[in-house]
Amino acid sequence: GESVGLHLPTLSVQEGDNSIINCAYSNSASDYFIWYKQESGKGPQFIIDIRSNMDKRQGQRVTVLLNKTVKHLSLQIAATQPGDSAVYFCAENSGGSNYKLTFGKGTLLTVNP
Amino acid sequence: NAGVTQTPKFRVLKTGQSMTLLCAQDMNHEYMYWYRQDPGMGLRLIHYSVGEGTTAKGEVPDGYNVSRLKKQNFLLGLESAAPSQTSVYFCATQAGASTDTQYFGPGTRLTVL
Repeated sequence: GESVGLHLPTLSVQEGDNSIINCAYSNSASDYFIWYKQESGKGPQFIIDIRSNMDKRQGQRVTVLLNKTVKHLSLQIAATQPGDSAVYFCAENSGGSNYKLTFGKGTLLTVNP
Repeated sequence: NAGVTQTPKFRVLKTGQSMTLLCAQDMNHEYMYWYRQDPGMGLRLIHYSVGEGTTAKGEVPDGYNVSRLKKQNFLLGLESAAPSQTSVYFCATQAGASTDTQYFGPGTRLTVL
């Protein structure tokens, strides 16, 4: 999961395994959540999003789960590939007229061949 | 369709020098943002704009100014650069609604000596 500090949480998996990256969000009023992937030297790239009226949403090889009771978000990557190696971070939007996102610190995923 | 572009990609400044970073988008998005990303700090919002001719302060606005004279461009200015402004700067855009995704540019790596 994510935490405050100078060092990113890290997750190391073998190629072909499933990966689960966790995020604890802060605002119980947040109604929209996004997962981003950031490769070294590049800008954050949108992966998948979910609204607060949903518990689960699936994309291609990725699934996002939302547990509003404990304010927890997770990203599951199926059959992880070396190209999935990157920093992943979640973002939350508190909705209404608030168009600013609050970003987590990120988790470094390393996929070993 | 280039999406979000940033110029320059890299820049080295001496303390006290000034410069302007340019963000351009061809997606007709209303909202535009400037973030800085530092190790262990995640993405922090500097300034943002909810439409042509409007700007607002974000989380860390000191030492920066912005302008949104045209809808497609959002400029970030450093009037007198300081070493503390050494960072990677990202521009992002959002279509307009509070549940829309933010799309990021590739970043500008700035070093202030």
